[in-house]
Amino acid sequence: EVQVLESGGDLVQPGGSLRLSCAASGFTFSNYAMSWVRQAPGKGLEWVSGISDSGGYTYYADSVKGRFTISRDNSKNTLYLQMNNLRVEDTAVYYCAKRTTENGWFFGYWGQGTLVTVSS
Amino acid sequence: DIQMTQSPSSLSASVGDRVTITCRASQGIYNSLAWYQQKPGKAPNLLVYGTSRLESGVPSRFSGSGSGTHYTLTISSLQPEDFATYYCQQYYSTPFTFGPGTKVDIK
Repeated sequence: EVQVLESGGDLVQPGGSLRLSCAASGFTFSNYAMSWVRQAPGKGLEWVSGISDSGGYTYYADSVKGRFTISRDNSKNTLYLQMNNLRVEDTAVYYCAKRTTENGWFFGYWGQGTLVTVSS
Repeated sequence: DIQMTQSPSSLSASVGDRVTITCRASQGIYNSLAWYQQKPGKAPNLLVYGTSRLESGVPSRFSGSGSGTHYTLTISSLQPEDFATYYCQQYYSTPFTFGPGTKVDIK
């Protein structure tokens, strides 16, 4: 069974840093691109960042470019999101997401999400 | 960046109704369009990808269509479990953008 499990969400002050992790199981992690998608309280979905299966290609939303870094460790079946210079508007539930066996950056598998709160 | 819009933003419907939600892209996305259903406090659930391909396990009352910049999700006969918020997403080019959502609630 495919599972992705996020962790690392916390309360952090503006300007602070946080690293999220996503532990994957039930599939060959190194064969799949992965993404982070977030949802601010009461708001819609926002794709944040994606990374290719090998980690050689990374992609970012304009809202986080230069502040967030996506990475992966295929030996540990784990995806990461390093978030620096956090802003109040980064407050959201962050989901780790994986495509289905079909090609394309759409997401058939999601974690339960981890809450990041940026507040003083 | 490709902007996605959805209409309506919300609708009220009854069980058994036929419901259609529209999604428009700011430029052509060549059928690289997915639809998701999300219930409160839960992660989104993929319904349709590639404009019209139904994800495994999704009931056949859901269907997708469209081309170019105009896409639709149709629920042929609304069921109680379908009351939720629906999002479209383009995956033609980065950043992969979502529509703002359409909330379907009970009339």
